Amino acid sequence: AQSVSQHNHHVILSEAASLELGCNYSYGGTVNLFWYVQYPGQHLQLLLKYFSGDPLVKGIKGFEAEFIKSKFSFNLRKPSVQWSDTAEYFCAVMPYGNNRLAFGKGNQVVVIP
Amino acid sequence: GAGVSQSPSNKVTEKGKDVELRCDPISGHTALYWYRQSLGQGLEFLIYFQGNSAPDKSGLPSDRFSAERTGGSVSTLTIQRTQQEDSAVYLCANILSGSSYNEQFFGPGTRLTVL
Repeated sequence: AQSVSQHNHHVILSEAASLELGCNYSYGGTVNLFWYVQYPGQHLQLLLKYFSGDPLVKGIKGFEAEFIKSKFSFNLRKPSVQWSDTAEYFCAVMPYGNNRLAFGKGNQVVVIP
Repeated sequence: GAGVSQSPSNKVTEKGKDVELRCDPISGHTALYWYRQSLGQGLEFLIYFQGNSAPDKSGLPSDRFSAERTGGSVSTLTIQRTQQEDSAVYLCANILSGSSYNEQFFGPGTRLTVL
């Protein structure tokens, strides 16, 4: 079964710092890729997604992610974080033609004002 | 409402009791998923309903877990003889019918605590 790996489960950084969260998956076929975010006390919401085309995907709130097929990676980035970016971030993979999402274990990000 | 709703939002039960968790999907969203979110474990797929097709139950962790979807709309997840390891947040998600992007819309979840 495919798996999704997210490293550095807990990330603490100061406002204006840059953020990069790694996501690697183990599936050889075509995949759809997602990043979801869960703000404190709120439910999961989609941050950005990749299906095809430009491997650099822009999402909401200044986030972007880059799909590197050769590395089976879909890393999330934000150049300058804000306190309001404190949240848990989940990477998810859906193999093409399969409706099941496989999630990573998440990254808990805390931004210190 | 416009989003996925789940009830109850919190449920505390005693070990050995049965619980029912409810999901009210977005109207017109034919695909419905249940996930379990345990502390530090990410989201674990449980079951998937798509239209009138047989559900994909391959993620259910034991035969104490079951789910049904009535009339292609509301879904109920039932856990019989609850155990402490069942404590988690149970999430429901929908996919928009006809969507080519398979974006899942999540509900707020039910936090289950088994004492």
